[in-house]
Amino acid sequence: DQQVKQNSPSLSVQEGRISILNCDYTNSMFDYFLWYKKYPAEGPTFLISISSIKDKNEDGRFTVFLNKSAKHLSLHIVPSQPGDSAVYFCAASYGVNSGYALNFGKGTSLLVTP
Amino acid sequence: EAQVTQNPRYLITVTGKKLTVTCSQNMNHEYMSWYRQDPGLGLRQIYYSMNVEVTDKGDVPEGYKVSRKEKRNFPLILESPSPNQTSLYFCASSFLFRSGEPQHFGDGTRLSIL
Repeated sequence: DQQVKQNSPSLSVQEGRISILNCDYTNSMFDYFLWYKKYPAEGPTFLISISSIKDKNEDGRFTVFLNKSAKHLSLHIVPSQPGDSAVYFCAASYGVNSGYALNFGKGTSLLVTP
Repeated sequence: EAQVTQNPRYLITVTGKKLTVTCSQNMNHEYMSWYRQDPGLGLRQIYYSMNVEVTDKGDVPEGYKVSRKEKRNFPLILESPSPNQTSLYFCASSFLFRSGEPQHFGDGTRLSIL
């Protein structure tokens, strides 16, 4: 059963505008959430993370927001650039007994058009 | 350059013929893991290793073996591959074994088992 869900398979945004990628989760035990970016024929690359005790984390053009009561997080990219075009995966982890496995969503393909 | 290296990148083989996918990291990371990515399912963890000689099952371990004899290497072994193991495989590593620690991924190995 998918514990991390990205319900939008794709998103298209104009260069310079804001990209908002959404992620929902079902397991309240998750204590960290991470975003990864993936280009074709490459492995996922870590982008930004947030602890469950925070509601916002910012790194340059990337900001992640966490709403624990709604079990929802979002990644904001401002301003969007053509090089941001990639598949974005939301992931969550918890618990030594689970090996701190990353539970991944299915990904959202972002296309930033000039 | 800090990296996780997987070999081979692509392999087509037949049912029952034992194969090994190698994974090596040059970052002195404690934690290593294997994931498979299938259409519509995202990435799922197969096995992980907290340190040398310490391994454990992830979400989908059936049909796979691993070993961690040295810190830098974590090979994935398919003793008797079957068509349902056709997938895209990623090896990952992280400095520490803890929740939220960003994992660094290799570029993937695409296996086709006929």
